[in-house]
Amino acid sequence: ETGVTQSPTHLIKTRGQQVTLRCSSQSGHNTVSWYQQALGQGPQFIFQYYREEENGRGNFPPRFSGLQFPNYSSELNVNALELDDSALYLCASSLAGQGPSGYGYTFGSGTRLTVV
Amino acid sequence: AQSVTQLGSHVSVSEGALVLLRCNYSSSVPPYLFWYVQYPNQGLQLLLKYTSAATLVKGINGFEAEFKKSETSFHLTKPSAHMSDAAEYFCAVTTNSGYSTLTFGKGTMLLVSP
Repeated sequence: ETGVTQSPTHLIKTRGQQVTLRCSSQSGHNTVSWYQQALGQGPQFIFQYYREEENGRGNFPPRFSGLQFPNYSSELNVNALELDDSALYLCASSLAGQGPSGYGYTFGSGTRLTVV
Repeated sequence: AQSVTQLGSHVSVSEGALVLLRCNYSSSVPPYLFWYVQYPNQGLQLLLKYTSAATLVKGINGFEAEFKKSETSFHLTKPSAHMSDAAEYFCAVTTNSGYSTLTFGKGTMLLVSP
C-alpha cells in the first residue's frame, strides 16, 4: 500500500509567477484535501476535491485553484504568487464519506514553497 | 463553526518527565478531536483521535488524551518524555461529516532536555 506522495519537495518562485504542486493519493482513496501551513502556524484548509470537482473551500482567494484527475491524483495551482504564499503545502487523501474521523485520512510530507 | 486553542506555543520538559500539552475546543456540534505530530521537514502523523467512543483515547508512542466535555478540553499526555518526542504537536477538530475537514490549532513545540 503506497502512501500519499507530493512533488516537488521544495521549490523557489518569484513574486508574480505561477506554481503547480502535485499530490498522488493513497491507493484506494478518492478524495484529496489541500492545506497551507505558514511558518509557525497550524495548517489551514484550502479546498477538497472529489470526483474531479471541488466540493469544499476554505478562506482562500480564487488564484488558488485545483484539479483532480481520474486516477484521483490532484494538483494545486497558485497564480500571481505573493510573498505570503510562502508555506508548506500539505495534501491529505481519504475515502469519500469518511472524512478525517474515518479510517486512513493520510497526509503527505508536503511541498515547501518559497516566494522571493 | 469550530476552533481549537492550544495553550503554550512551547513546552519544555526533561527526559523522563510528564508531558502535558493543552487543547481546548469550540464546536457547535459534537466534535471529533485529533492530535497530530510533525517532525522537522515532515508531514503530519496522527497520534490519536476521539470519535465519541471512549473518552480516554490511547495513541501511538505512549501518548493518550482525555475528552472532557464539561471543560471543552482534549489535553495530550505522556507519563515519561523521551528525547525522540521532541516535535511540534497540533490539536485539530472536525464535525461528524463525511466531507468535513480539519481545523487546526497553532501548534505546540515540545522541547525535551536530557
